[in-house]
Amino acid sequence: KNQVEQSPQSLIILEGKNCTLQCNYTVSPFSNLRWYKQDTGRGPVSLTIMTFSENTKSNGRYTATLDADTKQSSLHITASQLSDSASYICVVSKKGCDYKLSFGAGTTVTVRA
Amino acid sequence: DAGVTQSPTHLIKTRGQQVTLRCSPKSGHDTVSWYQQALGQGPQFIFQYYEEEERQRGNFPDRFSGHQFPNYSSELNVNALLLGDSALYLCAGQNSGANVLTFGAGSRLTVL
Repeated sequence: KNQVEQSPQSLIILEGKNCTLQCNYTVSPFSNLRWYKQDTGRGPVSLTIMTFSENTKSNGRYTATLDADTKQSSLHITASQLSDSASYICVVSKKGCDYKLSFGAGTTVTVRA
Repeated sequence: DAGVTQSPTHLIKTRGQQVTLRCSPKSGHDTVSWYQQALGQGPQFIFQYYEEEERQRGNFPDRFSGHQFPNYSSELNVNALLLGDSALYLCAGQNSGANVLTFGAGSRLTVL
């Protein structure tokens, strides 16, 4: 069973609207959680990385939140743009095993004009 | 400063053949990890190389092997290709003392 579950699997939003992606994980002990953006046919690009003590982190119009108690994270996209169309992947690393990351299957976001 | 570069970008092989994929990490990276990403799925960890040795390995058969060279570049070799090996193969570089992974654009392998 995958230790990182993302929802929804995909969503379509209109340009200018906001959306929120969810990530639930069971990885323990927890080290850090990362959100990556992956354009079609490209490698993932890091958006945010959060450790246990961090609740929120922003990168431009992207804001990630982390609740380490409930093992949940969200990625909020504000004022979406067409270039936000991509797959967003949640990645969790285990304390002491940072080399072995657990990847979610990703949420595919499509932004339409 | 070039990012992580992978080659080839696309290739087509037939079942039973062998393939070699290459990765050059960016300056400052001494650790290279390889991932397999099937269509619509998240990347799956294959193995990681540090100081020219395989440090850790994911749940992949021995048909998957690798190598790291003194300049930190790396190769992924897959023998006896199966249809199920068709995927995007991602290389990620990092500095061994840092958390941040930098991914290459990947090599898209199609096995017919």
